[in-house]
Amino acid sequence: EPEVTQTPSHQVTQMGQEVILRCVPISNHLYFYWYRQILGQKVEFLVSFYNNEISEKSEIFDDQFSVERPDGSNFTLKIRSTKLEDSAMYFCASRATRGVVDTQYFGPGTRLTVL
Amino acid sequence: AQSVTQLGSHVSVSEGALVLLRCNYSSSVPPYLFWYVQYPNQGLQLLLKYTSAATLVKGINGFEAEFKKSETSFHLTKPSAHMSDAAEYFCAVSENFGNEKLTFGTGTRLTIIP
Repeated sequence: EPEVTQTPSHQVTQMGQEVILRCVPISNHLYFYWYRQILGQKVEFLVSFYNNEISEKSEIFDDQFSVERPDGSNFTLKIRSTKLEDSAMYFCASRATRGVVDTQYFGPGTRLTVL
Repeated sequence: AQSVTQLGSHVSVSEGALVLLRCNYSSSVPPYLFWYVQYPNQGLQLLLKYTSAATLVKGINGFEAEFKKSETSFHLTKPSAHMSDAAEYFCAVSENFGNEKLTFGTGTRLTIIP
């Protein structure tokens, strides 16, 4: 069964460093998402992406964050200058078609630890 | 704005007993509702979803949920718990077509007692 994959599974970085989290969505999917979950808190929406542009972003997704689909298969989340509060589990998700009835499929997540 | 409240961050049930995980939602428009499950070190897996068809929704692994508009609830149930049901369960809401993001609850960790 097709699945969303994410690399790395765990990333440790120093505060102020740039990180790139990678996702490979399911191959025929057109809509892509990033969510995050700070330890002990709820899963929060960050950004949605379609047709090579951001379709919606949350208040969390400030200028330090960016997304890209560089090569037609990968979907990346970049944090330019990490802060301690960026430590969280980051989930990528993809969906085949527009419309809420279609399921978002989630990857296993990348645990980001900022020291 | 939409939101979800999951009552009970931890629920323990005996193997074979009824599982009931509670979810209440708030939405300014008719909602679409989802239950996701997360097993240790894995991603979020869809259990079931309500998309304005039948109010009683059946999902995978014997779970089902009933949409009750009058109570703004979407509680998840399973008649007989199995050890393999131990996981974290998330309720999520999305508003109608065009607003695709999922808004999650804080999750309920289900423990099964042998």
